[in-house]
Amino acid sequence: AQSVTQLGSHVSVSEGALVLLRCNYSSSVPPYLFWYVQYPNQGLQLLLKYTTGATLVKGINGFEAEFKKSETSFHLTKPSAHMSDAAEYFCAVSDPGNTPLVFGKGTRLSVIA
Amino acid sequence: EAGVAQSPRYKIIEKRQSVAFWCNPISGHATLYWYQQILGQGPKLLIQFQNNGVVDDSQLPKDRFSAERLKGVDSTLKIQPAKLEDSAVYLCASSLDLSSYGYTFGSGTRLTVV
Repeated sequence: AQSVTQLGSHVSVSEGALVLLRCNYSSSVPPYLFWYVQYPNQGLQLLLKYTTGATLVKGINGFEAEFKKSETSFHLTKPSAHMSDAAEYFCAVSDPGNTPLVFGKGTRLSVIA
Repeated sequence: EAGVAQSPRYKIIEKRQSVAFWCNPISGHATLYWYQQILGQGPKLLIQFQNNGVVDDSQLPKDRFSAERLKGVDSTLKIQPAKLEDSAVYLCASSLDLSSYGYTFGSGTRLTVV
């Protein structure tokens, strides 16, 4: 069964600083990997995904993530944080096919002016 | 295209009462999911539908929760009777092709059981 571990329930960065949100997964087969963002009182919005091909994937709002099979990781980064990036971020994993997404517990990102 | 519609947005009920949530997925999306998101946690799958058939309901507390998807479009999730620990946001999502598009989530229904 798949599982996701997000290291750090809360990350705080200064505006303009690098954002790094960590995600490690467990899967018995090469997985599909996703990052979602959730703003207060809203649903989840897809930031980016990895299914096959290039291991460095770019998403919306300047975010990117790299699939590292040897480290079973899919960390999310953004070179320069903006105040509007403050939100909850969820990493999710799925086996290829029609299996449901399994989510991590989330990381709350705060951006300090 | 229109997104995933959910209603109501908020609901407050007393324990032991019943409640129902409604979801209208994106047109053409065959797969529909209900997730429960307890405060401070990630979403947890309750049930997955493919058209109007259940694919996975292994984590649905069937003694109190039920869900249906008539005609393979709209879906309702019901809780009867509600417990305090059911207080959560209930998220509906639909998907056309997971690898290409991921899921599209609705805004959710926030349930408070008092």
